[in-house]
Amino acid sequence: EVQVLESGGGLVQPGGSLRLSCAASGFTFSSYVMSWVRQAPGKGLEWVSVIRDGPTTAYYAGSVKGRFTVSRDNSKNTLYLQMNSLRAEDTAVYYCTKGGWLDSWGQGTLVTVSS
Amino acid sequence: DIQMTQSPSSLSASVGDRVTITCRASQGIRNDLGWYQQKPGKAPKRLIYAASSLESGVPSRFSGSGSGTEFTLTISSLQPEDFATYYCLQHSTYPYTFGQGTKLEIK
Repeated sequence: EVQVLESGGGLVQPGGSLRLSCAASGFTFSSYVMSWVRQAPGKGLEWVSVIRDGPTTAYYAGSVKGRFTVSRDNSKNTLYLQMNSLRAEDTAVYYCTKGGWLDSWGQGTLVTVSS
Repeated sequence: DIQMTQSPSSLSASVGDRVTITCRASQGIRNDLGWYQQKPGKAPKRLIYAASSLESGVPSRFSGSGSGTEFTLTISSLQPEDFATYYCLQHSTYPYTFGQGTKLEIK
């Protein structure tokens, strides 16, 4: 069974940093594109970032480019999202998703940016 | 960036009704579109991929159609468990973009 499980969310002050993790199982992680999607409270879905099956090809939404970095460790079946210079508008549930067509989603981890 | 315009933003309907939700892309995206259902407090669940292919395990009352710039999600006979928020997603070009969502409520 395909599973992706996010962790690492929490409360952080504006300007701070946080690293999210996504542990994958039930599929050959190294063969799949992986993405992050977020949802601010009461709002719609926003695609954040993608990393291709090779570890160095990544793309970002304009709203996070230059502040967030996606990476992966295929030996650990784990996806990461390093978030720096966090702003109040980054407050959201962050979802990890499998595949270029976002076919499977985790349950999400909540990031709250507030002083 | 490709803009996805989804309509309506909300919809009231009754059990047994047929409903249609539309997404329009600002430029052609072939059939690189998915439809997702989200219930409160839960992660989105994909219903349709490649514009018209039904995800395994999804009831056949859900169907998708379209190509290029115009896409529709149809629920042929609403069931109580279908009341949720629906989103389209284009995965043709980065950055991927979602429609604004359609909240389907019980009349």
